[in-house]
Amino acid sequence: QKEVEQNSGPLSVPEGAIASLNCTYSDRVSQSFFWYRQYSGKSPELIMSIYSNGDKEDGRFTAQLNKASQYVSLLIRDSQPSDSATYLCAVFSGYSSASKIIFGSGTRLSIRP
Amino acid sequence: DVKVTQSSRYLVKRTGEKVFLECVQDMDHENMFWYRQDPGLGLRLIYFSYDVKMKEKGDIPEGYSVSREKKERFSLILESASTNQTSMYLCASSFRADNEQFFGPGTRLTVL
Repeated sequence: QKEVEQNSGPLSVPEGAIASLNCTYSDRVSQSFFWYRQYSGKSPELIMSIYSNGDKEDGRFTAQLNKASQYVSLLIRDSQPSDSATYLCAVFSGYSSASKIIFGSGTRLSIRP
Repeated sequence: DVKVTQSSRYLVKRTGEKVFLECVQDMDHENMFWYRQDPGLGLRLIYFSYDVKMKEKGDIPEGYSVSREKKERFSLILESASTNQTSMYLCASSFRADNEQFFGPGTRLTVL
């Protein structure tokens, strides 16, 4: 089982609709969770960080964390063609010197006009 | 804003050459990371450093070494480049290990 799992997609969503991206993780003690957006040929850029259960909103983006079920999701409202990208979920696991952030393989999102 | 810069956007080297990739961050971050990213394989951690002169192996350290002589600079070294090291190399930094990482623009390395 992968430590951080995402559906690879592509996920196709009509312009103006809500895009819902999901991520599950295996380490129950994970404490920090991140969503990144990566355009083709570019480096990942941070969209949101979330540390507590519940929802966190930033503009058109909402991150949702459920530690009991070990999933974190990203909702994009009023999807725009410029949202077409690969979205990476990342999870920090553990507190030893070897602890590190684990990245999922990403979900490719396509917003169709 | 955090800024992470990498020495080259594109690099072409020949098999057997020694290759240096440099990364500089300007936000006094403790932690720095080197990843490679290949289609279908996602981001894979090569090495990371949580302090000056400290380094830890990531998931795929073979064929690579690193150097961190100053806090703001983290170098990745390919001692003898091979064709299977053709990839996108990404540097990142973070204030603490459990904080968000900020990425540089990446170096696309081609080894012929």
